[in-house]
Amino acid sequence: KNEVEQSPQNLTAQEGEFITINCSYSVGISALHWLQQHPGGGIVSLFMLSSGKKKHGRLIATINIQEKHSSLHITASHPRDSAVYICAVRRNTGNQFYFGTGTSLTVIP
Amino acid sequence: DGGITQSPKYLFRKEGQNVTLSCEQNLNHDAMYWYRQDPGQGLRLIYYSQIVNDFQKGDIAEGYSVSREKKESFPLTVTSAQKNPTAFYLCASSPLTGLMSTEAFFGQGTRLTVV
Repeated sequence: KNEVEQSPQNLTAQEGEFITINCSYSVGISALHWLQQHPGGGIVSLFMLSSGKKKHGRLIATINIQEKHSSLHITASHPRDSAVYICAVRRNTGNQFYFGTGTSLTVIP
Repeated sequence: DGGITQSPKYLFRKEGQNVTLSCEQNLNHDAMYWYRQDPGQGLRLIYYSQIVNDFQKGDIAEGYSVSREKKESFPLTVTSAQKNPTAFYLCASSPLTGLMSTEAFFGQGTRLTVV
């Protein structure tokens, strides 16, 4: 069983739609990261969360530590949001990272 | 600006050759990590280091080697012993302790293709 589970694996949306990607984890963590991987492979860090909610432009990330769950929301989605979104957690013992397998998002014009 | 730099972004090598991927950070982070990504799989830990001159094997260390001679640098060598070296490689760094210990930075990644 993976320590980090993401859903859905694949997501296709129409431009303008509200999108939610979910991440559940099974280990104690000190922080959770949302990463964006572009088609060329480059990784961009979107958020780091240890509690609550963060917002950056059209992106919102939330985390519920008690439920071991985080969500990434994209409002007013755009084709340029098409990418793979990866959830990563940093364990609070050992300091290692565990990664979800990613959610591949395609936004159609 | 502080950050973590991986180079190159794309790398091509002939089968049987060793190749070294660079990872440099100027964040004064103690810990550095190397991960590998294969299609349809999550990133998996190859090696990590929490202090200069010391490093630990991760889940898939076979066929790889690392060094940590300087705090800022954690190069990864993909040796000819690695059976399937073609993959995406990601470097990360983080502090171990202190107020910002939850902070982490990720490199852009290196896509290695062995032909």
